[in-house]
Amino acid sequence: DAKTTQPPSMDCAEGRAANLPCNHSTISGNEYVYWYRQIHSQGPQYIIHGLKNNETNEMASLIITEDRKSSTLILPHATLRDTAVYYCIVRVGEGFQKLVFGTGTRLLVSP
Amino acid sequence: DVKVTQSSRYLVKRTGEKVFLECVQDMDHENMFWYRQDPGLGLRLIYFSYDVKMKEKGDIPEGYSVSREKKERFSLILESASTNQTSMYLCASSPRGAGDDEQFFGPGTRLTVL
Repeated sequence: DAKTTQPPSMDCAEGRAANLPCNHSTISGNEYVYWYRQIHSQGPQYIIHGLKNNETNEMASLIITEDRKSSTLILPHATLRDTAVYYCIVRVGEGFQKLVFGTGTRLLVSP
Repeated sequence: DVKVTQSSRYLVKRTGEKVFLECVQDMDHENMFWYRQDPGLGLRLIYFSYDVKMKEKGDIPEGYSVSREKKERFSLILESASTNQTSMYLCASSPRGAGDDEQFFGPGTRLTVL
């Protein structure tokens, strides 16, 4: 069962920041927040993950609230190629754990 | 460059046929996974393997089996294909690390069973 809640769809103008929210109110202390995205007709692609602190890499930033009950994925300058379904997943970081994908947020970036 | 490849992008089979879906990774990863993806249901784990010749059932193993004879290759087998196995099949791999490693996915195989 997915432990996260995401809006089904969002729109963003090209060049603007895309802020994708995720609620995970039942997250446990040792569970990480992961983000993947899936561009049409491709396999999911890892974006970023974090535990408590905010994280940034070349693709995106992840902001996790202090109580860890929600997070936001930020694409700072969205491009048309960022149009995809974005999945927020929580998983335990120790040992083998499967990924449980929900239905995600469909982000449409328009010119 | 990290790569997970799947033998076919599109496959059409008839009910009752035995179907083999092949997945190969070139990253020397210990863990490999098979998922299916259906509209409205997200990705669901069928089987996974954490070592050669090792396999574990996922959430929906019924009607499927797997084989991992070599580290780089993980095969999904539909012993007798049925129409309800029409789906997108995704293979993934990950290293055996602390558990917070990312999974790398292949491009998927869209299987249609007639």
